[in-house]
Amino acid sequence: KAGVTQTPRYLIKTRGQQVTLSCSPISGHRSVSWYQQTPGQGLQFLFEYFSETQRNKGNFPGRFSGRQFSNSRSEMNVSTLELGDSALYLCASSLDSGSTEAFFGQGTRLTVV
Amino acid sequence: QKEVEQDPGPLSVPEGAIVSLNCTYSNSAFQYFMWYRQYSRKGPELLMYTYSSGNKEDGRFTAQVDKSSKYISLFIRDSQPSDSATYLCAMRLWASGGSYIPTFGRGTSLIVHP
Repeated sequence: KAGVTQTPRYLIKTRGQQVTLSCSPISGHRSVSWYQQTPGQGLQFLFEYFSETQRNKGNFPGRFSGRQFSNSRSEMNVSTLELGDSALYLCASSLDSGSTEAFFGQGTRLTVV
Repeated sequence: QKEVEQDPGPLSVPEGAIVSLNCTYSNSAFQYFMWYRQYSRKGPELLMYTYSSGNKEDGRFTAQVDKSSKYISLFIRDSQPSDSATYLCAMRLWASGGSYIPTFGRGTSLIVHP
């Protein structure tokens, strides 16, 4: 059974650009959550998508957005990149929204220069 | 003050030692308490979760929750070098969107040396 797949694994962008990250959940999982992990703030919740609808959103500016497609794959977009957006972006999938058992991908390492 | 406090370590122990990892939290509305293990360059993996106060055991791992003190612990018996990783505590809050929002500790780096 394939795990959670995130692409790309590494990304370097320039300040002011925008970026789109992709997450393919485990087959059959309908919930996808996104997280930002930095040494200073740790792992922080960005948002959760379930059945193509955003369920909850963490305390991040509107530059961070996402969407989910009918096949449960999800994308996360960050516009007008700032140096502070450099982080490991992780997605996690679970069978249903609110499920305790979530499975994480390996993450996308974003560096903003 | 962060809602979930966790000592970043590193915590260095000899192989075979009993390891105690701890988190404190401030929001009494938290439900479901979880422990994740994260190896370098990997995503976190769920080790254990529990809902109520008390102990829950799974092999060499025991999760303990004390809601009255707002304190959770993870004990690792007979620690192995392969246990060397960062351990993250997490807890969830029911949110208006009809699902839970998790809050994570910053993680404790554990090093088990042979």
